Amino acid sequence: RKEVEQDPGPFNVPEGATVAFNCTYSNSASQSFFWYRQDCRKEPKLLMSVYSSGNEDGRFTAQLNRASQYISLLIRDSKLSDSATYLCVVNTPTGGSYIPTFGRGTSLIVHP
Amino acid sequence: DTAVSQTPKYLVTQMGNDKSIKCEQNLGHDTMYWYKQDSKKFLKIMFSYNNKELIINETVPNRFSPKSPDKAHLNLHINSLELGDSAVYFCASSQGQGANQPQHFGDGTRLSIL
Repeated sequence: RKEVEQDPGPFNVPEGATVAFNCTYSNSASQSFFWYRQDCRKEPKLLMSVYSSGNEDGRFTAQLNRASQYISLLIRDSKLSDSATYLCVVNTPTGGSYIPTFGRGTSLIVHP
Repeated sequence: DTAVSQTPKYLVTQMGNDKSIKCEQNLGHDTMYWYKQDSKKFLKIMFSYNNKELIINETVPNRFSPKSPDKAHLNLHINSLELGDSAVYFCASSQGQGANQPQHFGDGTRLSIL
């Protein structure tokens, strides 16, 4: 079983739609979680951290479900500019530090 | 005033050569990383340094040798380049190695082996 799994998509949605992605992780010791966005041929950029109680940033909502070991990202009112690959990152403790493990990413295409 | 900068941006070279990639961050962060992103877009950590000390070394061939002269720099030297080394290499940094520290990435070095 892969450590961090994401549906690669692509998710093809019209502008204005609501879309949600999940990311599952296998190590129950994992402690912190993030969503990054990566545009084609660009570097990953932090979108938001994921807090235990869930958190919202404008049109974006992130949730963590520790019992089922997954995190989710909800995007409301999709814009053309939201088209990108969304990467989840899971930090797992090891020997006094944390190893960040990236999922393979979920591709989102927002069309007019 | 780029936060994490890598050089070169593109590197095209032949099999068997030795090459280096440089990374510098001006964010005052303590921890720096090297990642490899292959053709399938999988981003995998290679190394991490905290205050010039190696803290993560993820089963990378010993042809890859990171060097951190100070906490603002983390360079990557690759010996005897192979075809499978073709990828995008990203440098990143974070404030400390705590669980909740997000990373800031450089814009990548695209390495192509002929």
